[in-house]
Amino acid sequence: EPEVTQTPSHQVTQMGQEVILRCVPISNHLYFYWYRQILGQKVEFLVSFYNNEISEKSEIFDDQFSVERPDGSNFTLKIRSTKLEDSAMYFCASSATGLGYTFGSGTRLTVV
Amino acid sequence: AQRVTQPEKLLSVFKGAPVELKCNYSYSGSPELFWYVQYSRQRLQLLLRHISRESIKGFTADLNKGETSFHLKKPFAQEEDSAMYYCALKENYGGATNKLIFGTGTLLAVQP
Repeated sequence: EPEVTQTPSHQVTQMGQEVILRCVPISNHLYFYWYRQILGQKVEFLVSFYNNEISEKSEIFDDQFSVERPDGSNFTLKIRSTKLEDSAMYFCASSATGLGYTFGSGTRLTVV
Repeated sequence: AQRVTQPEKLLSVFKGAPVELKCNYSYSGSPELFWYVQYSRQRLQLLLRHISRESIKGFTADLNKGETSFHLKKPFAQEEDSAMYYCALKENYGGATNKLIFGTGTLLAVQP
């Protein structure tokens, strides 16, 4: 069964540093998403991406965040200057039709 | 505002007992409802969506628009059902990239 792959599985970074979280969506999918889950809290939508542009973003997705699809396979989330409160599990998801999502296994980001 | 409520953080049952994981939603339009499951240290997996009216691993869920509920049920719990269960709502205003709004999740613990 095709999977969404996320790397790394765990990243530790110092406050103020830039991080890039990487995702390889399922190859024929067209819709891409990032969600995050702060420990003990609900899964929250960050951004959706379609046709090489952001289609929707949440209030969380401020100027510190950006997404990119640099080539035909990767989908990245960049946080420019990390804050302690950015520590969370970040999930990438993709969808062929927008109806059902396939999630990746997540990247645990720890900001120290 | 759109909201998904899962009132129970933890539901503990014995093997063979019936299970009902509660989910209520608040949405003015016609939502799409989903149940996702997350086994220990694994990715979010789609369990059910209301439009397909299917039964997966013995679980069923019926959308009750009058009560704005989408409770997940299984007549006989198995130990391998122990996991975190998330109810999610997808806004349905015509955009394919509509985001998912998650509940806070219910941890199902099935005791032997």
